[in-house]
Amino acid sequence: DAKTTQPNSMESNEEEPVHLPCNHSTISGTDYIHWYRQLPSQGPEYVIHGLTSNVNNRMASLAIAEDRKSSTLILHRATLRDAAVYYCILTALQGGSEKLVFGKGTKLTVNP
Amino acid sequence: EPEVTQTPSHQVTQMGQEVILRCVPISNHLYFYWYRQILGQKVEFLVSFYNNEISEKSEIFDDQFSVERPDGSNFTLKIRSTKLEDSAMYFCASTRQGANQPQHFGDGTRLSIL
Repeated sequence: DAKTTQPNSMESNEEEPVHLPCNHSTISGTDYIHWYRQLPSQGPEYVIHGLTSNVNNRMASLAIAEDRKSSTLILHRATLRDAAVYYCILTALQGGSEKLVFGKGTKLTVNP
Repeated sequence: EPEVTQTPSHQVTQMGQEVILRCVPISNHLYFYWYRQILGQKVEFLVSFYNNEISEKSEIFDDQFSVERPDGSNFTLKIRSTKLEDSAMYFCASTRQGANQPQHFGDGTRLSIL
């Protein structure tokens, strides 16, 4: 499985933008970049995913570098509810199923 | 919005006993997964299931583990003879299509082995 590297932790203030980086220098041409988050005492929650182009949805934006070796998850206005561990995951399609390989992620603290 | 539901939220079992964890995936989903998370550690893949058979399993998913979709709605994980190291949060997930579609997770079952 291709690996990703994320900072262990980041801190932000409420209502400010947050940029969460992820390095994936060994990404292959068919790997998608997924972001999930895990709030305290809950299961992981899908945030966004993309292949080559930048993506936007109601939760966040995903900016993908032109060489695809890195990406950034952007929360436009952090709220206290965004405090969670954020995981950047590359998916490898194998036989039709798609397991997620979680790393340690980035623990985001949002200050009021 | 449809959700994946898991029961029970907390299961306490004596070592050596069998335990069944239950999940109700989202109704039109076709791919199902189990993951576990030992306290303070990473979320780990256990098994994926599609078309009534296992698609992929990890090294953790040994002969003590089994999965079943006994009817059109439930997806279960059975551990035949539990060990202390099976204590963890177990998460069920489902997705409509396997290929690069978001996985929807339940809130998990906390399994405590005494």
